Amino acid sequence: AQSVAQPEDQVNVAEGNPLTVKCTYSVSGNPYLFWYVQYPNRGLQFLLKYITGDNLVKGSYGFEAEFNKSQTSFHLKKPSALVSDSALYFCAVRPQYNFNKFYFGSGTKLNVKP
Amino acid sequence: GAVVSQHPSWVICKSGTSVKIECRSLDFQATTMFWYRQFPKQSLMLMATSNEGSKATYEQGVEKDKFLINHASLTLSTLTVTSAHPEDSSFYICSATGTVSSYEQYFGPGTRLTVT
Repeated sequence: AQSVAQPEDQVNVAEGNPLTVKCTYSVSGNPYLFWYVQYPNRGLQFLLKYITGDNLVKGSYGFEAEFNKSQTSFHLKKPSALVSDSALYFCAVRPQYNFNKFYFGSGTKLNVKP
Repeated sequence: GAVVSQHPSWVICKSGTSVKIECRSLDFQATTMFWYRQFPKQSLMLMATSNEGSKATYEQGVEKDKFLINHASLTLSTLTVTSAHPEDSSFYICSATGTVSSYEQYFGPGTRLTVT
């Protein structure tokens, strides 16, 4: 079965410190992986994606993510957190063999304190 | 580029009435559109997938007679909640894939539906 897990409901970090939001996946074939961010009462905004190639992917607003095939993980990272990064983050996977399906994780609320 | 709009952004309707939500791709052709439902502090639940000119494919447990989806053109999909009940109150989000990129989905801003 295809699935995405975000093991942390909430991540708290101080402004200026590095942040990591974790994501692991289970999917057949090569995965297409995504990170989205959602602000209150808004739709999802695309941050970055991994399709193929370099395992370290850089995205919007200084975020990056590392694809680790052996650990089936795609953790989101940022070297220095901002208060404005506080939001809900979703990891998603699109199976190679079922292009019309996106599987979303349960979401992780990131709180960045000044 | 790759902007998806939804209208209305919020709507209040009385129990038993129907309400239509529009989803438009503004600067690309959306070959596939998705409709999601999101409950507070929860992830997105895929309701249905639609391809332009075809009938929507509904996820298991989603009543297709209650949630009518029409994808009549490459830029417009509509979701009609028929005979709405308070338990249909939710945040509805559409997304699209198409000519701009075949990989990621582009999301609309969402529609907050409250049924009284």
